Amino acid sequence: QKEVEQNSGPLSVPEGAIASLNCTYSDRGSQSFFWYRQYSGKSPELIMFIYSNGDKEDGRFTAQLNKASQYVSLLIRDSQPSDSATYLCAVSARLSHGGATNKLIFGTGTLLAVQP
Amino acid sequence: EAGVTQSPTHLIKTRGQQATLRCSPISGHTSVYWYQQALGLGLQFLLWYDEGEERNRGNFPPRFSGRQFPNYSSELNVNALELEDSALYLCASSAPGSGNTIYFGEGSWLTVV
Repeated sequence: QKEVEQNSGPLSVPEGAIASLNCTYSDRGSQSFFWYRQYSGKSPELIMFIYSNGDKEDGRFTAQLNKASQYVSLLIRDSQPSDSATYLCAVSARLSHGGATNKLIFGTGTLLAVQP
Repeated sequence: EAGVTQSPTHLIKTRGQQATLRCSPISGHTSVYWYQQALGLGLQFLLWYDEGEERNRGNFPPRFSGRQFPNYSSELNVNALELEDSALYLCASSAPGSGNTIYFGEGSWLTVV
């Protein structure tokens, strides 16, 4: 089982719709969760982070975390063609003895295509 | 405020040679991270430096090494280059106490021929 799993897509949504991106992770002890956006040929850009169960909203973006189900999602409201990119989910890793580390484990990303 | 800066942007090397990539973190950030992103693959963790010390290392052979300087900048060295080392090498940094909220530079494209 991969440590962080995402559907590779492409996820195609019409302009103005809600895009829903999902991610599951294997380490129940993970504490921090991140979403990055990566345009083709560019570096990842941090969109949001979430540490606690529930929803966290920032503008058109909402991150949702359910630690019991080991599931994190990103909702993009009023999707725009400029949102077309690969969205990377990242989860904090733990050391073998359970200690904290700043290492992030990334999923392979979901390609989002917003159709005008 | 300047972001994470990396150099060179592009680098072409021959198999067996050595490559050196450089990174300057965001001002005030003390931790530097290196990730490799090969074409079509996800980001793979290489190294984490904090306060000049290597804190964690990914599953890469010893020919991947690096260091962090007193000004918190960092370099990544790849010895005995192999064709499969061709990738985008991303440097990221984080501020003290921010945990693992990391910000990436634009990356260095390494091509091994």
